[in-house]
Amino acid sequence: SQQGEEDPQALSIQEGENATMNCSYKTSINNLQWYRQNSGRGLVHLILIRSNEREKHSGRLRVTLDTSKKSSSLLITASRAADTASYFCATDAGGAGGTSYGKLTFGQGTILTVHP
Amino acid sequence: KAGVTQTPRYLIKTRGQQVTLSCSPISGHRSVSWYQQTPGQGLQFLFEYFSETQRNKGNFPGRFSGRQFSNSRSEMNVSTLELGDSALYLCASSYDRGYGYTFGSGTRLTVV
Repeated sequence: SQQGEEDPQALSIQEGENATMNCSYKTSINNLQWYRQNSGRGLVHLILIRSNEREKHSGRLRVTLDTSKKSSSLLITASRAADTASYFCATDAGGAGGTSYGKLTFGQGTILTVHP
Repeated sequence: KAGVTQTPRYLIKTRGQQVTLSCSPISGHRSVSWYQQTPGQGLQFLFEYFSETQRNKGNFPGRFSGRQFSNSRSEMNVSTLELGDSALYLCASSYDRGYGYTFGSGTRLTVV
């Protein structure tokens, strides 16, 4: 079953614009991770944010986490054509040692298209 | 350093056959996980191994199995293949739970 639901399902923007993707989940989590996938290839890890963190940055990426609303957002600033890909959020649920810990549950993803 | 290596990249098998997929994790990573990706179900967790022990298992039938060797390399096996097993199978390695995962490029399995 999918724990994370992503919104929007598809996003089309021009180069230089910002792209924001949202992720909602249902159960408590240990951490939430964002991944990028190009054309059905392997996933690339972007950012991991732990449940006690509210915001993290990495280059042009900014991730926020609101555990009270069970939601996260990924912001890509100054988008480039090379950012065109599918973006997935994945939740790692359960406390350390719990049976769900280490099992990533992925959303259906947001397809981002950045036009040159 | 070398990434996660999955072999083979592509496979075509007939219904009823079995298949073994291989994954070599990043050096130093002891956690290896497997995922199935299909257009309909998306990415689904199969199992996770750490130091040769299965620590976690997803909701897949017993036809799906795996193992991890002492050098952290992992294999997954699917027996009695069904058409619905056609998918991209992804392996991911990590230092341990609670860290980000590095994924391989996947093995695309087609069952005919």
